[in-house]
Amino acid sequence: GAGVSQSPSNKVTEKGKDVELRCDPISGHTALYWYRQSLGQGLEFLIYFQGNSAPDKSGLPSDRFSAERTGGSVSTLTIQRTQQEDSAVYLCASSFGGGGNTEAFFGQGTRLTVV
Amino acid sequence: AQRVTQPEKLLSVFKGAPVELKCNYSYSGSPELFWYVQYSRQRLQLLLRHISRESIKGFTADLNKGETSFHLKKPFAQEEDSAMYYCALRGGGSNYKLTFGKGTLLTVNP
Repeated sequence: GAGVSQSPSNKVTEKGKDVELRCDPISGHTALYWYRQSLGQGLEFLIYFQGNSAPDKSGLPSDRFSAERTGGSVSTLTIQRTQQEDSAVYLCASSFGGGGNTEAFFGQGTRLTVV
Repeated sequence: AQRVTQPEKLLSVFKGAPVELKCNYSYSGSPELFWYVQYSRQRLQLLLRHISRESIKGFTADLNKGETSFHLKKPFAQEEDSAMYYCALRGGGSNYKLTFGKGTLLTVNP
């Protein structure tokens, strides 16, 4: 596809269950970002991958959150033992990692609802 | 550490009025600044970037390093400008972390 693709678009899960959110970045983009978007909180940075470098995990809110990026392409964000406060839209973005003002392209997001 | 502050959560103006969305940043080096926009039911997308010094849809933004600001301006707002606007900062060098402000919801009334 031409753009960043995220799946599923919507996910409803029971409190305590684990969920996996997937992101397919634009081919050739070496930088991949995960954000959480919730009302009143704006875009909260979660984690960032750049090429083969160690990811910047400084935004992950707890050890229940983890993410990996396989083969420098697809990324999976995993939330273990989900809580109601995890309900939000999770956005993925990718960009070329080179210098200069490179644009980040966003997916449509996954709306997670924990009941 | 890099930080972006958008002091206004909501901004409401009438069609044809000037609009300014404020953005202040904190970063020790030379950052790259962006404005992103999210229209209703659409993906977040780039509006403009400071290095291009461009005007997109009538919007401009000037980087003021002395005041560490990157305010977004438009002289005559249109109803179709109603959207959520996010200011973003990316560090320089090999630091590509992209940090966003909390966003400002702009409503342009007829």
